[in-house]
Amino acid sequence: EVQLVQSGAEVKEPGESLKISCRVSGYSFTSYWIGWVRQKPGKGLEWMGIIYPGDSETKYSPSFQGQVTISADQSISTAYLQWSSLKASDTAIYYCARGSGRVDYWGQGTLVTVSS
Amino acid sequence: QSVLTQPPSVSAAPGQKVTISCSGSSSNIGRNYVSWYQQLPGTAPKLLIFENDKRPSGIPDRFSGSKSGTSATLGITGLQTGDEADYYCGTWDSSTSVYVFGIGTKVTVL
Repeated sequence: EVQLVQSGAEVKEPGESLKISCRVSGYSFTSYWIGWVRQKPGKGLEWMGIIYPGDSETKYSPSFQGQVTISADQSISTAYLQWSSLKASDTAIYYCARGSGRVDYWGQGTLVTVSS
Repeated sequence: QSVLTQPPSVSAAPGQKVTISCSGSSSNIGRNYVSWYQQLPGTAPKLLIFENDKRPSGIPDRFSGSKSGTSATLGITGLQTGDEADYYCGTWDSSTSVYVFGIGTKVTVL
């Protein structure tokens, strides 16, 4: 059974750094693109970027380029999304999801709250 | 502001049919497969339709998809209260190399 299990909710202050994770199981981690999707409170889905864990090739949406870093660790079948300096506007639920042309499996989401 | 246009909401009575449109351009829907996602309240999105008209295992045939030119359509027949959710279309945009989602359509069962 394919599963994407994300790390727990985070509460951070503006300017802090953060790295959230997405551990996958049930398929070959290195054979599928895995990406991140943002959903702000009460809003729609925004595609942030994807990584191919097999060779670490990464693509970012222009809206998120330079704002976040996507990475992956093959040894533990885990993808990451990180910020070096959070802003209040980063408050959202972040989903990891498998696939590039079609997104067929989703994590449960990680709520990130940035507030002073 | 999404490059894929969807109606904000649609509604119908139980047992009726609704259709949700998704309008794009030659760089996205016009040249790439379209997927549809269902997001029930408080849950993660779920793949409903892929490659324009295919259903993943476990998705009932009450859900159907089609594509023509630069537009796609999701149909839901035999509407049930459990179908109340937000529905998003999604596809790859070849000009920007970005996956794009529609703004989402809220389905209400009257």
